[in-house]
Parts: sequence; C-alpha cells; structure tokens
Amino acid sequence: EVQLVQSGAEVKKPGESLRISCKGSGYSFTSYWISWVRQMPGKGLEWMGRIDPSDSYTNYSPSFQGHVTISADKSISTAYLQWSSLKASDTAMYYCARQVAPYYMDVWGKGTTVTVSS
Amino acid sequence: SFDLTQPPSESVSPGQTANIPCSGDKLGDRYVCWYQQKPGQSPVLVIYQDTKRPSGIPERFSGSSSGNTATLTISGTQASDEADYYCQAWDNGTAVFGTGTKVTVL
Repeated sequence: EVQLVQSGAEVKKPGESLRISCKGSGYSFTSYWISWVRQMPGKGLEWMGRIDPSDSYTNYSPSFQGHVTISADKSISTAYLQWSSLKASDTAMYYCARQVAPYYMDVWGKGTTVTVSS
Repeated sequence: SFDLTQPPSESVSPGQTANIPCSGDKLGDRYVCWYQQKPGQSPVLVIYQDTKRPSGIPERFSGSSSGNTATLTISGTQASDEADYYCQAWDNGTAVFGTGTKVTVL
C-alpha cells in the first residue's frame, strides 16, 4: 500500500525552530516529487513547494520562498519541512502529498498540526 | 498573479447534479485537477488532467474544462459527497489551489 506517514503534532513557541517529516512507503520514493501544502484553521489549501527526492531539486511558492526549507533524505524515503524561526501565523495543518510530476497530487499524508503560541 | 476562483458554497438535493465551477486565466490551456476534503480528513484526488478519474473514485464524479472555466460535476449526488472541493492548476512551476467550494447535500 502506498502511504505517506507524517510526524506527530507539534506545539512550539515563537522564535523556535522546527522540522516535520513525511515518510513514503509502498512505492519508489525517488520516482515522484513530494509537495507540502498548508491549511490554516478554517481556511483553504495553499501549496508551499515541492522537492524531487532523486536530486533534491526544490521549487517554492513565492508566498513561502525564504520562510521555509524543504529537503529530503532518499536513503530513508523521507521528506522534511522546516522553519528556523516560527511565528504565531505558522499555526496550521501541514500536509505532504505525492506529486505525479508535474500535474497532480495523488496520495496525501494525514497531516501534521503545528501550533505556535507563547 | 494567477488565481483560481470558486463559489464559496453550493447546495444540492440528494440524487441531483452538482456543478462546481473554477475560473482562471486560460484555464482551458492548463491541466486541472480536483480534490475532495471532508471535515477532519486529508484531501482526496477525485479528478486529474481535466477529465480523468483515479481508481476507486465513483463514476458520478466527472470533470470538464474549456476557455477560462473548469467544472467538476457530481451526478446523482449522495449524502457522502458533502465536502469541500478544491480545483488546482499550475502556473510557471507553481501549484495554485482554488478558493474552495463547500458542497452541502440537503
């Protein structure tokens, strides 16, 4: 079964750093891109960026460029989304999704809730 | 910037047809896909490349696209189809989601 398993919920303070993960299984991890999608409470879906795990090439939405970093470790079939300094406005659900390049996201993780509060 | 606009809500009676539009510049020249998201759940792909249905998605879901508008059609709507629906397309290597439509089955 193709799966993306995301790391657990996080509660952080403003200014702290964070890295969340997304582990793929049941398929060739390097054959598909991984996208990250944000959903703020009660709001719609926002694409943040994607990575090609085969060569770690990344592409970011202009809205998120410079605010987050997407990376991957193909040896353990895992993609990451990280922040160096969180803000309260980063409070959201974050989904990873397998992307059939370049068109659509066919498998989604269950999401990681990130709460940033002092 | 490239934006995709959807009506905020759509109501449909059980067994009737729901048509959910998604508008954007030259959308007919781009591939469009659609995602269904039920409360507390992850999105699910229901239509890709304008008209194709992934394995496991009921035949009552169909898609079309022409000009500046793509449309998701749910024929014979069931109570289980009540959800938020998002269109999505690409612009210069960036994925763009529509604003989302909440479908209520009354």
